[in-house]
Amino acid sequence: EAQVTQNPRYLITVTGKKLTVTCSQNMNHEYMSWYRQDPGLGLRQIYYSMNVEVTDKGDVPEGYKVSRKEKRNFPLILESPSPNQTSLYFCASSLRTSGGVETQYFGPGTRLLVL
Amino acid sequence: QQQVKQSPQSLIVQKGGISIINCAYENTAFDYFPWYQQFPGKGPALLIAIRPDVSEKKEGRFTISFNKSAKQFSLHIMDSQPGDSATYFCAASFPGNQFYFGTGTSLTVIP
Repeated sequence: EAQVTQNPRYLITVTGKKLTVTCSQNMNHEYMSWYRQDPGLGLRQIYYSMNVEVTDKGDVPEGYKVSRKEKRNFPLILESPSPNQTSLYFCASSLRTSGGVETQYFGPGTRLLVL
Repeated sequence: QQQVKQSPQSLIVQKGGISIINCAYENTAFDYFPWYQQFPGKGPALLIAIRPDVSEKKEGRFTISFNKSAKQFSLHIMDSQPGDSATYFCAASFPGNQFYFGTGTSLTVIP
């Protein structure tokens, strides 16, 4: 089954304790992204990647890091989480075609609470 | 600065009615305009998308109308059903996977 998986699905942590949210896709997609979703703000792109070793900042990259060492994986790293990073996080992947980016497939989400 | 502005924030429609959600954008370099549907506890799922060289795209009960000169696009849901009750997001992207989303519209379809 074609899918994007995220782990963990729920996470409670404390300020300053480094954490990693994993994302994996089995569709051989070149493009992957991380978003955060906050009430009233919609989804905001944190980082995106267009291929292995190619990553770029989205709209709200502060306080986050990513890496893309393999095509299927795109982990999101919070080196020193703060309460304002409490949010619902989504990973997404999409295929690149000659017409540009196509359908984005979203993971199930990771709900993070930073105390 | 919100790159994509979406309205209304919430919408209540009778079963069988037409639901209309509007979005506006500023940057003419956007080249892909998708709409996503999200149910509670789930990730967004692509509903329908359009590129700026087309003024309208229809898939079943869902239609995107695109006005390039006004920099606006809208989603029309015909014959709205209770199962359409969800949050809808418009988005716009530049070539290369950089996306901007609207703030979302919560649609409730009353039986």
